[in-house]
Amino acid sequence: QVQLVESGGGLVKPGGSLRLSCAASGFTFSDYYMNWIRQAPGKGLEWVSYISSSGSTIYYADSVKGRFTISRDNAKNSLYLQMNSLRAEDTAVYYCARDGAAVAGYWGQGTLVTVSS
Amino acid sequence: QSALTQPASVSGSPGQSITISCTGTSSDVGGYNYVSWYQQHPGKAPKLMIYDVSNRPSGVSNRFSGSKSGNTASLTISGLQAGDEADYYCSSYTSSSTPVFGGGTKLTVL
Repeated sequence: QVQLVESGGGLVKPGGSLRLSCAASGFTFSDYYMNWIRQAPGKGLEWVSYISSSGSTIYYADSVKGRFTISRDNAKNSLYLQMNSLRAEDTAVYYCARDGAAVAGYWGQGTLVTVSS
Repeated sequence: QSALTQPASVSGSPGQSITISCTGTSSDVGGYNYVSWYQQHPGKAPKLMIYDVSNRPSGVSNRFSGSKSGNTASLTISGLQAGDEADYYCSSYTSSSTPVFGGGTKLTVL
């Protein structure tokens, strides 16, 4: 069955960097668009970024443009999110989700990123 | 892209039906048949309940249905059950080629 497992979250100081990973299994990873979606504590869902199956098409939310970089390694069935210049408002649970810009059919369990001094 | 507008909370008694609205613009909800609905229980990841306005993924109860009229999409849950108590989020594809979520609706089963 489809499994998405995020890792790499943790506590980081403002201005710091963090790299999230998402390990995929149970489906042909290279066939699917992938998303990063986040949820601040007690708040709603916010889409962060998506990447096409080949990696040739990438979009970012305005709130992270220029600071975050999404990438994928289809040989390793893995999705990544490099987060630089982190701010307090980036504190959230980060989910990877499969399927594309119009729908997120499968979600991981999330990884918590806390930006605090 | 501004978030889609959902009521903060709705409630209903077991067995009743409720409807959650999701209002956008012609650049998102009104312009595409790509509205999705997600259910999220506390401490859990969201689960897809409806996609492409009115389609249910395999395994989702037919008590859940979706529709759209103009710039407003709706999720209807019939035969309310205690386990339906959760947060519900809509999302839509937009003219910016990106998705946008609603602010979320807390459903309370009385």
